[in-house]
Amino acid sequence: GAGVSQSPSNKVTEKGKDVELRCDPISGHTALYWYRQSLGQGLEFLIYFQGNSAPDKSGLPSDRFSAERTGGSVSTLTIQRTQQEDSAVYLCASSFSSGGRTDTQYFGPGTRLTVL
Amino acid sequence: GENVEQHPSTLSVQEGDSAVIKCTYSDSASNYFPWYKQELGKGPQLIIDIRSNVGEKKDQRIAVTLNKTAKHFSLHITETQPEDSAVYFCAASVYQTALIFGKGTTLSVSS
Repeated sequence: GAGVSQSPSNKVTEKGKDVELRCDPISGHTALYWYRQSLGQGLEFLIYFQGNSAPDKSGLPSDRFSAERTGGSVSTLTIQRTQQEDSAVYLCASSFSSGGRTDTQYFGPGTRLTVL
Repeated sequence: GENVEQHPSTLSVQEGDSAVIKCTYSDSASNYFPWYKQELGKGPQLIIDIRSNVGEKKDQRIAVTLNKTAKHFSLHITETQPEDSAVYFCAASVYQTALIFGKGTTLSVSS
């Protein structure tokens, strides 16, 4: 079946502009995660949605970052007033969490954001 | 919070040799340990995972071992092939929380 999809695949913006990144999780997956991968770095957790629960925002680096998940499916990550240090690949993952298990996270291809 | 250290950062092997990547974690509550492979321009793909109630798991040429007492886990790839060349990430998490990743190992397999 279809995997996690993200759009756009590449985004170039000017410093100070706002950007929106989209994630379509695997159908039926209840959990959705956003991560950031900076050049030469590992993956850094940003935010996590699980069903109808309040999201875990503990990884967001500043109040310029926000995310929403509409109807328990599609998610949008918004970065306001972008800075050059926001340049990175933004990865989305989804999983089907059930019972007492932590289930496999499946990653999308990412959105490469470049802030000039 | 959880911290995951991964070594080595780069690893070069000859085709057919074995490769071992090691990770340590700090939070004794972590109970899920996946390994991901990332090829250039693509998202990470799960290659194997292990849960805290298991000490070892194998899938063809890939195996993972977990030592909960020492808080470390390792990835073993046997009979390496050029297509194994990629960046490998280990990660740790507690149930239904985000994964905390190591910084990655770039594996190069030369033929």
